[in-house]
Amino acid sequence: AQKITQTQPGMFVQEKEAVTLDCTYDTSDPSYGLFWYKQPSSGEMIFLIYQGSYDQQNATEGRYSLNFQKARKSANLVISASQLGDSAMYFCAMRDETSYDKVIFGPGTSLSVIP
Amino acid sequence: DGGITQSPKYLFRKEGQNVTLSCEQNLNHDAMYWYRQDPGQGLRLIYYSQIVNDFQKGDIAEGYSVSREKKESFPLTVTSAQKNPTAFYLCASSIVSGYSNQPQHFGDGTRLSIL
Repeated sequence: AQKITQTQPGMFVQEKEAVTLDCTYDTSDPSYGLFWYKQPSSGEMIFLIYQGSYDQQNATEGRYSLNFQKARKSANLVISASQLGDSAMYFCAMRDETSYDKVIFGPGTSLSVIP
Repeated sequence: DGGITQSPKYLFRKEGQNVTLSCEQNLNHDAMYWYRQDPGQGLRLIYYSQIVNDFQKGDIAEGYSVSREKKESFPLTVTSAQKNPTAFYLCASSIVSGYSNQPQHFGDGTRLSIL
């Protein structure tokens, strides 16, 4: 069955350091994509970055990049030069393979940036 | 600016009362979604709609109802049948494309509490 796993419930990183948030998935869909969202304590969900399964290069968006390893079914989010404002919950997600109408979310990782 | 507006930001419900959460979008998206998030948890799908006058139950639809009379609006009613409605509710929208690459865009959420 399709599933997204985020094994790190909580992470800490020193300000200005880089951090990697893990996401592994299982799907039988040959064409799929992974999304990452950020949820600050205020509650809104912010779309950060997308990686398609057939994309030739790893996605990058400013300080966010994806370490996409298709054979290992992992799409880890890398945040470079962490800032205090990066402290938030981070969710990995993908469209439901049985119906692209729906989205499946991972359980999330809480990131705390330490000054 | 295009976006999704949820109101109110905070809502209190008395026992036996129905309450309605508003969600309006001006992104011209066909699909709209309602999620429930409990403290420290991920998102659970309540209802979703791909087109006006049509909607489908998600994973936790019991005790909730929706309508989709206009493309821009997707209100959620929390009925008295929902015995544990205290949670954070997020509304989202997205393009319907038949592909797996369309992200969802979220509102700022409504926090519902029982009096």
